[in-house]
Parts: sequence; structure tokens; C-alpha cells
Amino acid sequence: GAGVSQSPSNKVTEKGKDVELRCDPISGHTALYWYRQRLGQGLEFLIYFQGNSAPDKSGLPSDRFSAERTGESVSTLTIQRTQQEDSAVYLCASSLAGGGGYTFGSGTRLTVV
Amino acid sequence: KQEVTQIPAALSVPEGENLVLNCSFTDSAIYNLQWFRQDPGKGLTSLLLIQSSQREQTSGRLNASLDKSSGRSTLYIAASQPGDSATYLCAAQGGSEKLVFGKGTKLTVNP
Repeated sequence: GAGVSQSPSNKVTEKGKDVELRCDPISGHTALYWYRQRLGQGLEFLIYFQGNSAPDKSGLPSDRFSAERTGESVSTLTIQRTQQEDSAVYLCASSLAGGGGYTFGSGTRLTVV
Repeated sequence: KQEVTQIPAALSVPEGENLVLNCSFTDSAIYNLQWFRQDPGKGLTSLLLIQSSQREQTSGRLNASLDKSSGRSTLYIAASQPGDSATYLCAAQGGSEKLVFGKGTKLTVNP
């Protein structure tokens, strides 16, 4: 597509429930990134996929967080047993390999009540 | 480990002023440096991308420069307008290909 698409744009969930966030990158972009931004805070790196290489999961805050990507297409970020501190905007970005610059999606605003 | 710092954290100027936002990074071995704009409650919009072999990029009233040797980049905004009010983020992309972000400069342009 023309841009990075994320869904849903907003999600309200009860504490303890699982949520799944989706990112559809720009076609042909081999690299895909997830970031988190808590209210009033900077961007926090979560996970990075590059082609068929093993993902860089060094930013995932706990084992409740996981992400998958099939080939060079859609990625899903799953948060299990959500906690109130998981409330944030989750941003996805994609890029061409080798430093082609990132394009971000509009984000998913997650609210855990 | 790459660290990116942005100064100032906040800036308020009257409409029409030219202004400079500063970004510094600790590891000069970068692929590129990218400037973004973020409006409240919104995602990030890419403004300018400077490849490591380049020294500057221009788009309209925006000009970004890159000095790898000193670990600095600046974003120059000419003839600022109230619509320029937003948070401006710089990010450095290095060998790991992860973007490392600064904390941003919150710009307010007063009519």
C-alpha cells in the first residue's frame, strides 16, 4: 500500500485480557519496527524484523509481549494479560534495508482499564 | 551504545522567526539521520532524511544539516508559522539499523 497501516487505531481493553495489534508495512519494505510511546514520553524501541533474519527482541519489556511477522508482510504484536502500564500508543514503522529511512503508521492507542 | 540528545527541550517563538533545532549523537558511524514531526496524539511524519554521505537536505522552509565528525545535526525552519507547532524528533540509524530517537523539541509558534 501507499503507507504503513495499523489497526485498530484505538483499543480499550480490560486488565488481564490479551490484545493483538496489527501492522501492514509498505510493500517491498524488508525492515519492520515496533515502538511504544507512553503519554508524554519518548519513543521506546520494542522489536525489529529484517527479512528472514531472527528478530531483534531486545526491547520487549516482558515475556507478556511477543511479535510475529510472516515473510515481508504483516506483523502482529501481542500483549498477554494486559496491565495498566501497557497503556500507550504503539507505533509501527517500515523501511528498505540499508538505511532507506523509516515510514511510520498512525499508531494504535491502547488503553487498559 | 548510541545516544541522541535534542536541545532545547521546548521552544516558543513569535510567528515569522527563523529558528534552529539541535540534535547530537554519540556514535558517528550512522547510516542516516532522520527528522520527524509529531503532532499531539498523532503518529510521526518524516520531514527530512539525510544519508551518511550527504551534508544537508532541504524541503520547502526546512533545511537539515549533518556533520558526522562532530556528531551533530540541525533543523532550520525559516519564517515559522503557527502550523509548525509540534514536537520535532531526530533519530539516528546505525549499524544495528534500529532508529535511536532523541526526546524531541516541543515547538510553539505564537501568532
